[in-house]
Amino acid sequence: DQQVKQNSPSLSVQEGRISILNCDYTNSMFDYFLWYKKYPAEGPTFLISISSIKDKNEDGRFTVFLNKSAKHLSLHIVPSQPGDSAVYFCAASRMEYGNKLVFGAGTILRVKS
Amino acid sequence: GAGVSQSPRYKVAKRGQDVALRCDPISGHVSLFWYQQALGQGPEFLTYFQNEAQLDKSGLPSDRFFAERPEGSVSTLKIQRTQQEDSAVYLCASNAGLKIYNEQFFGPGTRLTVL
Repeated sequence: DQQVKQNSPSLSVQEGRISILNCDYTNSMFDYFLWYKKYPAEGPTFLISISSIKDKNEDGRFTVFLNKSAKHLSLHIVPSQPGDSAVYFCAASRMEYGNKLVFGAGTILRVKS
Repeated sequence: GAGVSQSPRYKVAKRGQDVALRCDPISGHVSLFWYQQALGQGPEFLTYFQNEAQLDKSGLPSDRFFAERPEGSVSTLKIQRTQQEDSAVYLCASNAGLKIYNEQFFGPGTRLTVL
């Protein structure tokens, strides 16, 4: 039972354009959501997060949108840069479980120059 | 060090062998997590410590898996009688545990291959 789903295994975007990565979840008890970025042979690196009391959080080129009714969140990267090429993981948690994270399977982003 | 470190980075074991994987969290971080990442998948939760107390071990796949953090800092994940299905990257993460919404910081992982 996959509680967090990233349905696009890969995405290819031209440098300078917008990258949109999507994530769906099934457990309505999740109240905190995170995006991580991962390069080969490295651990995941935290990018941006959003709590369920908000519908948008922005940090530089990265914006996360949360639609609670649809149980959907997305990560927007504008403008995309070649260095953004990596695997992006969506993760969700319930606070009372000590921040245990439930991850999606990841989306490979390739930004072409 | 500044980040979470793990050792060894790579481990090859013969089926049936015992292995021990080490995690050094960020200094002062209260919470420590272990995750297992199979090829092409996202990390999956194994177990969670708050200081030396193991508060959640619901993700450990079998009783062959054991984790400890005796002094509330370094943690060891032990796998007894390894099987081929144990082959994965084992990730350790820590956070300060002081605020509800702070993120987890991950180490580089240990890639375990069981032959």
